[in-house]
Amino acid sequence: AQSVTQLGSHVSVSEGALVLLRCNYSSSVPPYLFWYVQYPNQGLQLLLKYTSAATLVKGINGFEAEFKKSETSFHLTKPSAHMRDAAEYFCAVSDGAGNTGKLIFGQGTTLQVKP
Amino acid sequence: DADVTQTPRNRITKTGKRIMLECSQTKGHDRMYWYRQDPGLGLRLIYYSFDVKDINKGEISDGYSVSRQAQAKFSLSLESAIPNQTALYFCATSDPGQARGYTFGSGTRLTVV
Repeated sequence: AQSVTQLGSHVSVSEGALVLLRCNYSSSVPPYLFWYVQYPNQGLQLLLKYTSAATLVKGINGFEAEFKKSETSFHLTKPSAHMRDAAEYFCAVSDGAGNTGKLIFGQGTTLQVKP
Repeated sequence: DADVTQTPRNRITKTGKRIMLECSQTKGHDRMYWYRQDPGLGLRLIYYSFDVKDINKGEISDGYSVSRQAQAKFSLSLESAIPNQTALYFCATSDPGQARGYTFGSGTRLTVV
């Protein structure tokens, strides 16, 4: 069965600093991987997704993620944090069994951006 | 109008009461999902539906039931609410295929007292 682990429930960076949010997955089949962002009092919004094309995926708001099969990782990065990036971020993996389309989510990482 | 609309946005109910959370979508997607979000646990799947006649349990379906009234409507019911069902509930939709990802509603914050 697929699973996702997000390392660090809370990450704090200074404005302008590098953002790195870690995600490791477990999957018995080639996975599809997703990063979602949740701003306060809102639903989840898709940031980017990996679907077996390019291993470096660019998303919205300057975020990108790199799929590394050997490390079973899909870490999210942004070169320079903005105050508006403060939110909760979720990594998710598709359930490969039977093409159900189900997503399995990690525990979430709260990003704090300090001025 | 939002693609996926959840009602109500907030609800406080008493233990033992029956409550229904509603979800409607204008995306034309066949697949609909109900998740609950708890701090530190991420999102966990309660039920999902591929079409009106195809409803499936997720990992935490106990204490919940659903109804797919139409392609566009998917309701979640708590037959007898209990305090540990206090959570943020999300409805989501998707097209068939693993690569699509979801479109989420804005969520319903439910408090059971």
